[in-house]
Amino acid sequence: NAGVMQNPRHLVRRRGQEARLRCSPMKGHSHVYWYRQLPEEGLKFMVYLQKENIIDESGMPKERFSAEFPKEGPSILRIQQVVRGDSAAYFCASSPMFQSSYNEQFFGPGTRLTVL
Amino acid sequence: RKEVEQDPGPFNVPEGATVAFNCTYSNSASQSFFWYRQDCRKEPKLLMSVYSSGNEDGRFTAQLNRASQYISLLIRDSKLSDSATYLCVVNPYNNNDMRFGAGTRLTVKP
Repeated sequence: NAGVMQNPRHLVRRRGQEARLRCSPMKGHSHVYWYRQLPEEGLKFMVYLQKENIIDESGMPKERFSAEFPKEGPSILRIQQVVRGDSAAYFCASSPMFQSSYNEQFFGPGTRLTVL
Repeated sequence: RKEVEQDPGPFNVPEGATVAFNCTYSNSASQSFFWYRQDCRKEPKLLMSVYSSGNEDGRFTAQLNRASQYISLLIRDSKLSDSATYLCVVNPYNNNDMRFGAGTRLTVKP
C-alpha cells in the first residue's frame, strides 16, 4: 500500500521559470493538503483540496501560485515566475474521505525547490 | 497572535531525562489536537492525538487544557532516537484543516 507520493523530490529552477509539483494521495484518500516549509521554519498551510474542488486556499499567495486536484491524476501545485524566496520544501498530505476532526494527515516525502 | 505557538527550543537533555513541551492555540473553538514528529529533512509523522481526557503511549503523555488553550507533551526516559522536532497541530475549524506550530527542537545527548 503505497504512501503519499510526491515528485520530483528535488527541483531546480531559474528565476522566472515555472515549477510544477505533483502529489498522489494514498489509495482511498480524497483530501489533499499542500504545505510550505522554509529552512529552519515550521509548516505553513497553503491549500486544501478535494477532487475537483478547492476547499480552503487561505494560505496561498495571491499571485503566481495555483493548485488543482483533477478528477483523474495527481494534485498539482504550480508556481509561475519563480523567485528566490520560493525556495523551500513543499509537502503534500492526504487524509481519508470520511468526516472526522481526528483524521490523521499522512505526508509525502516533500519536494525541495531551489530557485537559482 | 499566531494560531499555534510553540517554544522553538532547542531543548538539549541527557539520555534518561524527562522533558515537557507546551503549545498554545488561539481559537477556543478548536476541536482536535495532535503532536507530530519531524526528523531532519524528512516529512512529519503523527506521534499521537491529544484527547480531552489526556492520553499516554509508552513514554509519551499528552494533555489538553481547554480553559488555558494549551496542549502539552511529556517525554519520560528520553532516548537518543527521540531527537527530532516536535510539531503541535491544531484543527481549528472542525474540518480537515490543520494548523501547525513552528516546532520545538529536541536533542537528546548521551
